[in-house]
Amino acid sequence: QLQLQESGPGLVKPSETLSLTCTVSGGSISSSSYYWGWIRQPPGKGLEWIGSIYYSGSTYYNPSLKSRVTISVDTSKNQFSLKLSSVTAADTAVYYCARLPLRIAVAGLFFDYWGQGTLVTVSS
Amino acid sequence: QSVLTQPPSVSGAPGQRVTISCTGSSSNIGAGYDVHWYQQLPGTAPKLLIYGNSNRPSGVPDRFSGSKSGTSASLAITGLQAEDEADYYCQSYDSSLSGPEVFGGGTKLTVL
Repeated sequence: QLQLQESGPGLVKPSETLSLTCTVSGGSISSSSYYWGWIRQPPGKGLEWIGSIYYSGSTYYNPSLKSRVTISVDTSKNQFSLKLSSVTAADTAVYYCARLPLRIAVAGLFFDYWGQGTLVTVSS
Repeated sequence: QSVLTQPPSVSGAPGQRVTISCTGSSSNIGAGYDVHWYQQLPGTAPKLLIYGNSNRPSGVPDRFSGSKSGTSASLAITGLQAEDEADYYCQSYDSSLSGPEVFGGGTKLTVL
């Protein structure tokens, strides 16, 4: 059974960089059949897609966050990572990693497996 | 403001049928892009409920169904049960500067 697990600091200071890693088990991140993504959810609010990456390193990001986001992949460790720079209190959220199955000749992916999420609080 | 609009809340009694709407525009649902639905039980991660407008992943009861028409989509839940009380989110692809992966604002389903 595929499992995704987020890890990283739960507290980040304003203006610093938030860094999280998603470790994938029960499947290979190098599969050509999937993208891998990050989604966040501020306390009491809805879901916001952050960005996604293919095992080759190809990425696409939410335009509203693009200037501050970097997503990378480490196939040797079966992990992918998120960096969000210059964080403010507005970046306080539960951060989820998830898998996106590729769909042949169909635009628009969905998230079929999710990690349990990790709360990141931005505060001094 | 979410690109996809959902009602903040819906409610129904056990055994009843409820629907949750997801309204988009010509840059997402209206352009023919698929809609997907997620269920988020309290304190847990979202779970895929419907993909490709109307397909259920293995293990999702057939009480849950999805449909799409024009610039909108709907999630229907029949035979409402107490354990269906959760937040529900729609998601689609958007070809404008908002996308490409966009979510609705979410709907809280209360089972009376």
